[in-house]
Amino acid sequence: EDKVVQSPLSLVVHEGDTVTLNCSYEVTNFRSLLWYKQEKKAPTFLFMLTSSGIEKKSGRLSSILDKKELFSILNITATQTGDSAIYLCAVATDSWGKLQFGAGTQVVVTP
Amino acid sequence: ETGVTQTPRHLVMGMTNKKSLKCEQHLGHNAMYWYKQSAKKPLELMFVYNFKEQTENNSVPSRFSPECPNSSHLFLHLHTLQPEDSALYLCASRSDSGANVLTFGAGSRLTVL
Repeated sequence: EDKVVQSPLSLVVHEGDTVTLNCSYEVTNFRSLLWYKQEKKAPTFLFMLTSSGIEKKSGRLSSILDKKELFSILNITATQTGDSAIYLCAVATDSWGKLQFGAGTQVVVTP
Repeated sequence: ETGVTQTPRHLVMGMTNKKSLKCEQHLGHNAMYWYKQSAKKPLELMFVYNFKEQTENNSVPSRFSPECPNSSHLFLHLHTLQPEDSALYLCASRSDSGANVLTFGAGSRLTVL
């Protein structure tokens, strides 16, 4: 059975801290790994990763994939209160958008 | 706004009621999805439609009935639901360009009394 596990489940940090979120997976057919940010509304797309070792970056957020060890990390540097959200990791197991999600990591950034 | 609009945003219904959730996208996408999100659990895929045809039914109970009249609209008809069906129901769409990026709506928060 396909499985995506995120850790930690939740964390609280102070503004300015750096956060590292983990996503490990076991799937029969890996196509890509995606990260989403979910505030009290629609999950919004952050990154899609398909190749090992190539860092994707957007502002203070970055992510990398290790297809040998079957995990990805999402880093957030210089955190702000606006980064408070649930971060979702998902693995695509076919080319039709079938995504296997993890349970998410709830991040709370305090002023 | 993501381009995927869901209504209603909140719905409270009794176990004997019949109601429907609506999803609309104007992104020109040809695939649409229903996901269920319960607290502390992973999003669960319910249904997938490609070009209006249902291509996935993830063992969903028959009290949930999807309808896709065209590529821009998706409905989820609800009847005789159970309290454990209370959850956030997310609609998503995807371009058929081949990338697996789904665009989500804000969800319909359903409470079954």
